[in-house]
Amino acid sequence: RKEVEQDPGPFNVPEGATVAFNCTYSNSASQSFFWYRQDCRKEPKLLMSVYSSGNEDGRFTAQLNRASQYISLLIRDSKLSDSATYLCVVNSGGSYIPTFGRGTSLIVHP
Amino acid sequence: EPEVTQTPSHQVTQMGQEVILRCVPISNHLYFYWYRQILGQKVEFLVSFYNNEISEKSEIFDDQFSVERPDGSNFTLKIRSTKLEDSAMYFCASMGQMNTEAFFGQGTRLTVV
Repeated sequence: RKEVEQDPGPFNVPEGATVAFNCTYSNSASQSFFWYRQDCRKEPKLLMSVYSSGNEDGRFTAQLNRASQYISLLIRDSKLSDSATYLCVVNSGGSYIPTFGRGTSLIVHP
Repeated sequence: EPEVTQTPSHQVTQMGQEVILRCVPISNHLYFYWYRQILGQKVEFLVSFYNNEISEKSEIFDDQFSVERPDGSNFTLKIRSTKLEDSAMYFCASMGQMNTEAFFGQGTRLTVV
């Protein structure tokens, strides 16, 4: 299975900061893209889907660049509760299997 | 809100023993998955299941592993003879339609001693 790559971080930012994560994928036939959030020793939880036109959900903005095969997640006005690992997930292969990046760790400090 | 449920939450087993991890996917979902996550590492795909058969499996999913959907609700992962390196979190996931978002259970932490 082709890889999904992310910078593992950690990104260590103060409250209120804006932080951006990128993810690249190698299978150009991939069609569905997601950001999940994972807290320590918990299950991945869907944060948002990523659409070609870009989409926003409150303080979170996700974008997809198909030509360069990367997706991004922007978090504005970071909160302490945003501290988690952010997982890039791409549905890949003939059966569109959700394939995970290794995750980017975010630590928001006071 | 519908959710995927997994049991047990934590299982300790001796090396060489068989374990069965259980999952109840969201009721109207059609696609089912097992993943594992070794502590500190990425979430790794094991197997996908659709229409009562395996649709795809990874190189991790060797002859020691099997999956079943014995009735309309449960989806199980069996490890026949556990090894120390099978210690990990095992996540079950389900998906309603192909190529949409997957929903994950809370996981089973398997510890092989």
